[in-house]
Amino acid sequence: GAVVSQHPSRVICKSGTSVKIECRSLDFQATTMFWYRQFPKQSLMLMATSNEGSKATYEQGVEKDKFLINHASLTLSTLTVTSAHPEDSSFYICSATRGGLSSYEQYFGPGTRLTVT
Amino acid sequence: AQKVTQAQTEISVVEKEDVTLDCVYETRDTTYYLFWYKQPPSGELVFLIRRNSFDEQNEISGRYSWNFQKSTSSFNFTITASQVVDSAVYFCALSVSILTGGGNKLTFGTGTQLKVEL
Repeated sequence: GAVVSQHPSRVICKSGTSVKIECRSLDFQATTMFWYRQFPKQSLMLMATSNEGSKATYEQGVEKDKFLINHASLTLSTLTVTSAHPEDSSFYICSATRGGLSSYEQYFGPGTRLTVT
Repeated sequence: AQKVTQAQTEISVVEKEDVTLDCVYETRDTTYYLFWYKQPPSGELVFLIRRNSFDEQNEISGRYSWNFQKSTSSFNFTITASQVVDSAVYFCALSVSILTGGGNKLTFGTGTQLKVEL
């Protein structure tokens, strides 16, 4: 299989604090990981693409300094929401690809629901 | 640029009815992939199907079937004899080939909320 996990599944934090979300590929090496954000009753919006060992590529309108992405290994990417505010409350989903000829296939994590109070 | 349109925001049916979810896509690439995902209330995306642009054969999997028509740029999804457990949001998505520089980014439609009632 191709299993992707996310931790934590739910997190509540106070406004102004930072929160880190982990995305792990459990049984394969992920050359590329993607981070999405989904507001209630809306579609998934790609935030950034990260490749192991290099800087993430952010989509237009996504603040790089606010959403820090680190892809330190082929099985782990982290998203840190810095100085979180209530408007950052959302469902964050990561996905991972194996790379090469299978790079069109994205395997999704179960998501992390962030609530900022 | 890629675009996916799911014009049906919400559909309500009674159990055992057949229902079709529409998906229309736009891309200038000749090599691309189309996907359908199910998102139940838990939020986790469930992969349903992948189709590449060179394979126009329709597919059936149990109560699910997909109709891919390049002539109309559509990739519609039909659930036969719907059940309450089918209630979810369904997303159609498009990915272009990495060989054409698309970077394998997935472009999602806005989703269709399907409610199946008893």
